[in-house]
Amino acid sequence: ILNVEQSPQSLHVQEGDSTNFTCSFPSSNFYALHWYRWETAKSPEALFVMTLNGDEKKKGRISATLNTKEGYSYLYIKGSQPEDSATYLCAYNTRAASKLTFGTGTRLQVTL
Amino acid sequence: GAVVSQHPSRVICKSGTSVKIECRSLDFQATTMFWYRQFPKQSLMLMATSNEGSKATYEQGVEKDKFLINHASLTLSTLTVTSAHPEDSSFYICSARPGTGVTDTQYFGPGTRLTVL
Repeated sequence: ILNVEQSPQSLHVQEGDSTNFTCSFPSSNFYALHWYRWETAKSPEALFVMTLNGDEKKKGRISATLNTKEGYSYLYIKGSQPEDSATYLCAYNTRAASKLTFGTGTRLQVTL
Repeated sequence: GAVVSQHPSRVICKSGTSVKIECRSLDFQATTMFWYRQFPKQSLMLMATSNEGSKATYEQGVEKDKFLINHASLTLSTLTVTSAHPEDSSFYICSARPGTGVTDTQYFGPGTRLTVL
């Protein structure tokens, strides 16, 4: 992996479903992994910053895990609600630079 | 807390004109601000990093004379697209970071849609 890859590109689930998506990133020189939620016409909202292998973070119904050795992070949403509809972005930075390298995002749509 | 505003949200201009976009941190001081660009179906791409009171650091391939960045205070950074052309049409978004740590959260503005005719 040379860049950040997110899958799937888009996802359509029904209210109440649980879902998850993946962020893959280069495992060499890893420093931190960031997750953002971006609703249409709004600012991206920071969800998590993760640094340690095996780290797991939770915010309400949303949680994320991190595997720095193999270079991936999962984002889970339990009991999806229509207000969870957004694009979920992940980004990583390396020890060498503070800049964030973003994936193209997973677009989630939750319907009633 | 940690709100970043961006103005204007949308701008249409004629080819050859210059456009200024403002990015403000409303409730915190931002040591560092970042400018990103996003083309359709692509990821956010960092254009430049600006630190208050010093020159911006541009990413490879970004023309510093075309994209002028000024970070005159701890709450305001501006991006001026000079002599804009249709290929500059894109979505421009800024972020501000209150701390100096690499893992410190960047807080984003809502973005500016630039259309150059």
